[in-house]
Amino acid sequence: KNQVEQSPQSLIILEGKNCTLQCNYTVSPFSNLRWYKQDTGRGPVSLTIMTFSENTKSNGRYTATLDADTKQSSLHITASQLSDSASYICVVKSGGGADGLTFGKGTHLIIQP
Amino acid sequence: DAGVTQSPTHLIKTRGQQVTLRCSPISGHKSVSWYQQVLGQGPQFIFQYYEKEERGRGNFPDRFSARQFPNYSSELNVNALLLGDSALYLCASSFGPQENTGELFFGEGSRLTVL
Repeated sequence: KNQVEQSPQSLIILEGKNCTLQCNYTVSPFSNLRWYKQDTGRGPVSLTIMTFSENTKSNGRYTATLDADTKQSSLHITASQLSDSASYICVVKSGGGADGLTFGKGTHLIIQP
Repeated sequence: DAGVTQSPTHLIKTRGQQVTLRCSPISGHKSVSWYQQVLGQGPQFIFQYYEKEERGRGNFPDRFSARQFPNYSSELNVNALLLGDSALYLCASSFGPQENTGELFFGEGSRLTVL
């Protein structure tokens, strides 16, 4: 069964600090991995999409890494801002399944002033 | 350009009632997918439609149905509502049906509360 596990479940950090969110997956066959940011009560917004051959991808202060051998990904947030408070969802796309997307439960990040 | 639009944004129903949720994809997008997101969980896939045909269905009962119109907008219907149907229903659009690196664009969702 395809699964995406995210850690930590929740995280509180001070404004200006860095943090790293983890994603482990068991999805086969692997197509790509996506990170989404979801503000409370809103729809998810795409941050990055990485294919098998990509190790690192950045989007402003967000940097995602992918290790396809160990089936792990991380999302690093640099110099956090209050607006970074949200849930961050890791999504892995496979070549099979009804829509091929397996969602993690997300990491709930709170940035404190 | 307008993003994915969903309506209504919030609604309250009672058990046993029926509900219809609506979604308009980004202009030019031909694929619409529906997801159910229960509080504290990741979205769960319900349906995908492409070019007005159902292309995929998740593990949901027959009380859930959907359709896509010639203008690529879509409706999700849920009959005989249960308390457990309370969730945020998300619509996502993409240009094609199953592109490997195709972006998925989500709407803001419809928050359904069943009492």
